[in-house]
Amino acid sequence: EVQLVESGGDLVQPGRSLRLSCIGSRFSFGDYAMSWVRQAPGKGLEWVGFIRSKAHGGTTEYAASVKGRFTISRDDSKNIAYLQMNSLKSDDTGVYFCVKMALFGHYLDYWGQGTLVTVSS
Amino acid sequence: DIQLTQSPSFLSASVGDRVTITCRASQGISTYLAWYQQKPGKAPKLLIYAASTLQRGVPSRFSGSGSGTEFTLTISRLQPEDFATYSCQQVHSYPHTFGGGTKMEIK
Repeated sequence: EVQLVESGGDLVQPGRSLRLSCIGSRFSFGDYAMSWVRQAPGKGLEWVGFIRSKAHGGTTEYAASVKGRFTISRDDSKNIAYLQMNSLKSDDTGVYFCVKMALFGHYLDYWGQGTLVTVSS
Repeated sequence: DIQLTQSPSFLSASVGDRVTITCRASQGISTYLAWYQQKPGKAPKLLIYAASTLQRGVPSRFSGSGSGTEFTLTISRLQPEDFATYSCQQVHSYPHTFGGGTKMEIK
């Protein structure tokens, strides 16, 4: 069964940076696009963005709310996806899920358990 | 951006009931729609993709239909483990927006 384990969530002050990591296992990590989805406390799901596989250019797409502040990257040699978050705001508070994307379209077929990011002074 | 509006936002139902949740898109998205189930404190789980294709391992009491701007998720006979929040997501164009969710509770 696919496993995704996020780490790096923390309490951070507004304006600071944080990097989340996601280690994937039990699948061919480099063959798949990887996505990040977040959920503010008591709220719905919000798509953050994703990174394509290297075979598809390794390019990225982002939600407008994070574009220019967040960067998704990957290290296929380590089976890790990253979410670099800069200039954090209180609105960025929430659980961040790392998600494997299906080969058939951009559906989110396996999710990590999530890591909590709290932005507060 | 494509907006997805789910209805109802809250649903009270009983074990054995047949329930339907609707997801409406602000513009046509063909069948580029998925449904997810999320239980409290847990990660979402993919139930249906391409509007009507059941993800492997998902019970057949779940079904999806629709195309264009109107979609439905139907659970034919509710089981105790089905009480959760259900969300739709479009993958037709960026950003891949989610609906606001439908929280289903036991009556």
